[in-house]
Amino acid sequence: EDQVTQSPEALRLQEGESSSLNCSYTVSGLRGLFWYRQDPGKGPEFLFTLYSAGEEKEKERLKATLTKKESFLHITAPKPEDSATYLCAVQGNNAGNMLTFGGGTRLMVKP
Amino acid sequence: ETGVTQSPTHLIKTRGQQVTLRCSSQSGHNTVSWYQQALGQGPQFIFQYYREEENGRGNFPPRFSGLQFPNYSSELNVNALELDDSALYLCASSPLAGGEAYEQYFGPGTRLTVT
Repeated sequence: EDQVTQSPEALRLQEGESSSLNCSYTVSGLRGLFWYRQDPGKGPEFLFTLYSAGEEKEKERLKATLTKKESFLHITAPKPEDSATYLCAVQGNNAGNMLTFGGGTRLMVKP
Repeated sequence: ETGVTQSPTHLIKTRGQQVTLRCSSQSGHNTVSWYQQALGQGPQFIFQYYREEENGRGNFPPRFSGLQFPNYSSELNVNALELDDSALYLCASSPLAGGEAYEQYFGPGTRLTVT
């Protein structure tokens, strides 16, 4: 059974204070690892897909990296508008077409 | 390009009742997945529909059922509602089913409250 654990559960940063969110996973053959952003009461917004260890992707202040056991979402010089819950999900070879999500990291960036 | 839409936005039902939630997929997408998200948790996969047939199911009882229509829109039906069914129900569409990994694009969700 695929499993995803995200840490920390919550993270408070000052504006401009860079940090990283962790996503640890176990999966029977990784087809893809996905990062989403979710604002309160809304649906998740797609950010990145990573397919293999060593891959990196960037978008504005966000950079996602992938190893064989975990993924990191690095946030450089965050702004208050980056405050949201960040969700990590995996799709494995034996999981059909389902995404298995972690519990998310709730990020709060204070001005 | 039209994104994923869901209706209604909010819904309040009584325990034991039945509910139907609706989803229109993003333009060009033929696969729809449904997820349940309890407060403070990540989404959990309910099932997926592709070409009007169920194409994978998570650990949910048979009282959770669905449909997909020829225009790729979808319905989620829940019978005999229980208090624990209170959650945000998310619909996600994607262009393909099976094979390579693909991004799923989510709608805004339907907040269901069971009293």
